[in-house]
Amino acid sequence: DQQVKQNSPSLSVQEGRISILNCDYTNSMFDYFLWYKKYPAEGPTFLISISSIKDKNEDGRFTVFLNKSAKHLSLHIVPSQPGDSAVYFCAASTLNTGTASKLTFGTGTRLQVTL
Amino acid sequence: DTGVSQDPRHKITKRGQNVTFRCDPISEHNRLYWYRQTLGQGPEFLTYFQNEAQLEKSRLLSDRFSAERPKGSFSTLEIQRTEQGDSAMYLCASSLAGRANEKLFFGSGTQLSVL
Repeated sequence: DQQVKQNSPSLSVQEGRISILNCDYTNSMFDYFLWYKKYPAEGPTFLISISSIKDKNEDGRFTVFLNKSAKHLSLHIVPSQPGDSAVYFCAASTLNTGTASKLTFGTGTRLQVTL
Repeated sequence: DTGVSQDPRHKITKRGQNVTFRCDPISEHNRLYWYRQTLGQGPEFLTYFQNEAQLEKSRLLSDRFSAERPKGSFSTLEIQRTEQGDSAMYLCASSLAGRANEKLFFGSGTQLSVL
């Protein structure tokens, strides 16, 4: 039962262009979403998050869009840089400060930014 | 270095042996999580602690697995009578409870190979 899905296992984008990574979820209880980036032999590092009260959150070159009705979110990276090449994981949880953030992760999308 | 640290980075063991991993969280973080990641999958939640109390365990955590956080600081994860299916990356993460947008900070993981 894959509650968070990243249907594109890989994506190749030219340097300077936009990278769009997609994520779908099935559990309507999820109301907090995060993107993590993972380099080989390292743990995931937090990139950006969004709560369900918003439909967009920006941080520099990274923007996350949330479409609650479609249960879909996307991460936009503009402009893409070679250092962005990594595996990107979408994760979801419930925004409840009384319980832990038991993140449910997707399977990841490997982004390669080419010169 | 004030990040989450895990030891060892790699562990190769024979089937049936016991193994123990250690995690040192970020010092002011009171929540500590264990996740497991297998090839081609995203991290999966195993268990978490708030201070020294283990508050939740996933059904993925069989009786052969035990985790402790004796003084609310570092944690250990022990796997008894290892099986080949236990081969995975074991990730530790920590966070500060009570924040509205709780973010998990991950260590670099322990890669376990069971022969």
